[in-house]
Amino acid sequence: DGGITQSPKYLFRKEGQNVTLSCEQNLNHDAMYWYRQDPGQGLRLIYYSQIVNDFQKGDIAEGYSVSREKKESFPLTVTSAQKNPTAFYLCASSMSQGVARPSPLHFGNGTRLTVT
Amino acid sequence: AQKVTQAQTEISVVEKEDVTLDCVYETRDTTYYLFWYKQPPSGELVFLIRRNSFDEQNEISGRYSWNFQKSTSSFNFTITASQVVDSAVYFCALGSGGSYIPTFGRGTSLIVHP
Repeated sequence: DGGITQSPKYLFRKEGQNVTLSCEQNLNHDAMYWYRQDPGQGLRLIYYSQIVNDFQKGDIAEGYSVSREKKESFPLTVTSAQKNPTAFYLCASSMSQGVARPSPLHFGNGTRLTVT
Repeated sequence: AQKVTQAQTEISVVEKEDVTLDCVYETRDTTYYLFWYKQPPSGELVFLIRRNSFDEQNEISGRYSWNFQKSTSSFNFTITASQVVDSAVYFCALGSGGSYIPTFGRGTSLIVHP
């Protein structure tokens, strides 16, 4: 079955450590996204990529980094510069946006990151 | 700039009641798309509907219906005869500005009691 796999489901880190969240999709989608979800805040866009080897900052990119070396993969690194990293992180993918009719996003199950 | 407001943080109903989730949006673009997603306790958001700015027809899908009104910039979602399985967080989203990267509202948590 096609879908998006995020791993791990739960992640615990000490403050000051970088941590990388995995996101893999086998939907053959061009575009991939990272959102952060906090209670009462909804989903906020961190980074997105519409094509391999290219990505753009979203609304809250500070303290995060990404790479898009393969179409299927879009890992997110939460760096020590991110002031409040504890959150639920959602990865999504879609067919290319900005065409005649934007396609809906397909989401993974998320990774809950706790930094202490 | 685009913005989505879901003023209802949490709604609690008893099974079989009808419930409407409100969504108000802001955009300067004349071409835009609106979406609703459902997030069950498992965490994965599930796409429910997409509507473009040129199509104001209401839509019904089983117990779900959507009312799009450009005059009030609203795209409300009604669940008829709610069921316990409808308990979830529902997000409204807006895509505009050419790239159509969706901006999400804060979500409405719906709790349906048996």
